[in-house]
Amino acid sequence: DTGVSQNPRHKITKRGQNVTFRCDPISEHNRLYWYRQTLGQGPEFLTYFQNEAQLEKSRLLSDRFSAERPKGSFSTLEIQRTEQGDSAMYLCASSLVQNSYNEQFFGPGTRLTVL
Amino acid sequence: DQQVKQNSPSLSVQEGRISILNCDYTNSMFDYFLWYKKYPAEGPTFLISISSIKDKNEDGRFTVFLNKSAKHLSLHIVPSQPGDSAVYFCAASGRSSGSARQLTFGSGTQLTVLP
Repeated sequence: DTGVSQNPRHKITKRGQNVTFRCDPISEHNRLYWYRQTLGQGPEFLTYFQNEAQLEKSRLLSDRFSAERPKGSFSTLEIQRTEQGDSAMYLCASSLVQNSYNEQFFGPGTRLTVL
Repeated sequence: DQQVKQNSPSLSVQEGRISILNCDYTNSMFDYFLWYKKYPAEGPTFLISISSIKDKNEDGRFTVFLNKSAKHLSLHIVPSQPGDSAVYFCAASGRSSGSARQLTFGSGTQLTVLP
């Protein structure tokens, strides 16, 4: 399978715990995005990497959130001291810089439930 | 402030008929528009896109129309098939997104194609 993969697919945690999600993009894609989707809404942009550099962060990304892409391949998104409001679907997407339409390919997402 | 709006949360169409999904945007800096389809428990899947320099793009049963003066786009599916039943998201990107070219999504329209 050469698509975007995300792990885990589901995560249930208690408020105050830390969680980490992983995204493996399509191998030749140099851009990687994280989005968050809540019920009844479309995905909302969180942050973006070009290769290993994190170039943009949304104001939605509080200081409890941190993302890395250490070797320009897979990426991790960590949420510290989770809150119930963090419950959402976390989506990863990847694309090529050369793609003029900015077509992004999405993974299946990680559904986080904070109790 | 929602920059991309899909005002119809749901649409039901008979199999074989045309489905028309609508999307409005407010940011004149958007220069690419994309439609994604999403099935439950899966990430959004790219369908079709259009550049702001065009007013129509067609791919098989799917056609996207762009009316820049009205800041409106629509997705036509003809003929509609039961397998088209999914949530459809309109998305936009543009110079206002900075280098990230992140996508700004609408809230989605649930299309149900009745057999």
